[in-house]
Amino acid sequence: QQPVQSPQAVILREGEDAVINCSSSKALYSVHWYRQKHGEAPVFLMILLKGGEQKGHDKISASFNEKKQQSSLYLTASQLSYSGTYFCGTERTRDDKIIFGKGTRLHILP
Amino acid sequence: DTGVSQDPRHKITKRGQNVTFRCDPISEHNRLYWYRQTLGQGPEFLTYFQNEAQLEKSRLLSDRFSAERPKGSFSTLEIQRTEQGDSAMYLCASSFFRASAEAFFGQGTRLTVV
Repeated sequence: QQPVQSPQAVILREGEDAVINCSSSKALYSVHWYRQKHGEAPVFLMILLKGGEQKGHDKISASFNEKKQQSSLYLTASQLSYSGTYFCGTERTRDDKIIFGKGTRLHILP
Repeated sequence: DTGVSQDPRHKITKRGQNVTFRCDPISEHNRLYWYRQTLGQGPEFLTYFQNEAQLEKSRLLSDRFSAERPKGSFSTLEIQRTEQGDSAMYLCASSFFRASAEAFFGQGTRLTVV
């Protein structure tokens, strides 16, 4: 079942923060986050496993709330390079396929 | 390592023709996925393999679509009797199956059916 992402689109000014949410109606094993720029392939950002962990590198971090089956991606002090479409992908079990949401378009203004 | 490679990058075909796409995954990766992506949408799951075994094919996928991964290395995706609705970007991704394995995408094959 396809995860639901919100919001569908975000417009920010450089330096502002953003939160992108991903939720599922089914219990999840993992959540993957990817960023795709126009005309390019999706690029892996991070993966979170069930257990409610939080991960991050640089100014991009994410959390996974296993009880709510929800993950959030946090982008702080956004840079122009953060523009693109962000997808979450979910697995229900370790052996499962990755199913992607419809994406959140992020546009950073200078 | 050159990453996931897909060939061709672009394909224009006439409606009713058959097309075949190839994906070469990262060499040590045993899991391979095929996705389809249309403008403004997320990657739509088509099928995936663990080594040479096809684990699942999307129930929404027409019988005109078939995929193989002989010897657990490269994979091919064939579309028979193409329709205009098949026009999309076809993405291949691979991963090394373990507890937390990221999937790496190829650049995709853009199919246009005229």
